Amino acid sequence: GNSVTQMEGPVTLSEEAFLTINCTYTATGYPSLFWYVQYPGEGLQLLLKATKADDKGSNKGFEATYRKETTSFHLEKGSVQVSDSAVYFCPYTGRRALTFGSGTRLQVQP
Amino acid sequence: DSGVTQTPKHLITATGQRVTLRCSPRSGDLSVYWYQQSLDQGLQFLIQYYNGEERAKGNILERFSAQQFPDLHSELNLSSLELGDSALYFCASSPLAIETQYFGPGTRLLVL
Repeated sequence: GNSVTQMEGPVTLSEEAFLTINCTYTATGYPSLFWYVQYPGEGLQLLLKATKADDKGSNKGFEATYRKETTSFHLEKGSVQVSDSAVYFCPYTGRRALTFGSGTRLQVQP
Repeated sequence: DSGVTQTPKHLITATGQRVTLRCSPRSGDLSVYWYQQSLDQGLQFLIQYYNGEERAKGNILERFSAQQFPDLHSELNLSSLELGDSALYFCASSPLAIETQYFGPGTRLLVL
């Protein structure tokens, strides 16, 4: 069935390190792909999105490219900050609504 | 601030009780979605309304129901509450039926 697989967390990095959070999906057709971020005690915020193959979404230094051949949408950032500590989700638009994976917790240490 | 509002922010109640959660979508958005976030189940889609009509159902229990009113705000009703219903309930909205969703801050429900 349709699903999203995210890398297990927590991911622990030092400030200014390079970040990659892997995300792959199994779905029919070509869904739109998203990254949402959930800061402690808050709701989900849209971080970036891509609607078709080879699209690159970017926002606040984060980037992700829609790779149709590998059904992936990995999140990257060149230099993380302590303020990036949060849980990151990469849902996609399923037939009915967003299908979420388990999320990846990122902890950035000073 | 996504523009989606939810009330109340926190809710503490007892097993067997009934509660109503309220959501106001972003101005102009016709579609409202409800999600439940719990530690063991993660984020799960419950139900979607589009312009007042139910459009899609997810893993919503029969004890739960929702509606969307003519002014497009939505309410999620949870009845015969059980301990396992304790969770964060999020509302999201989008302009049309399936596209980018904007989430509210959530209602944290604690059933004692």
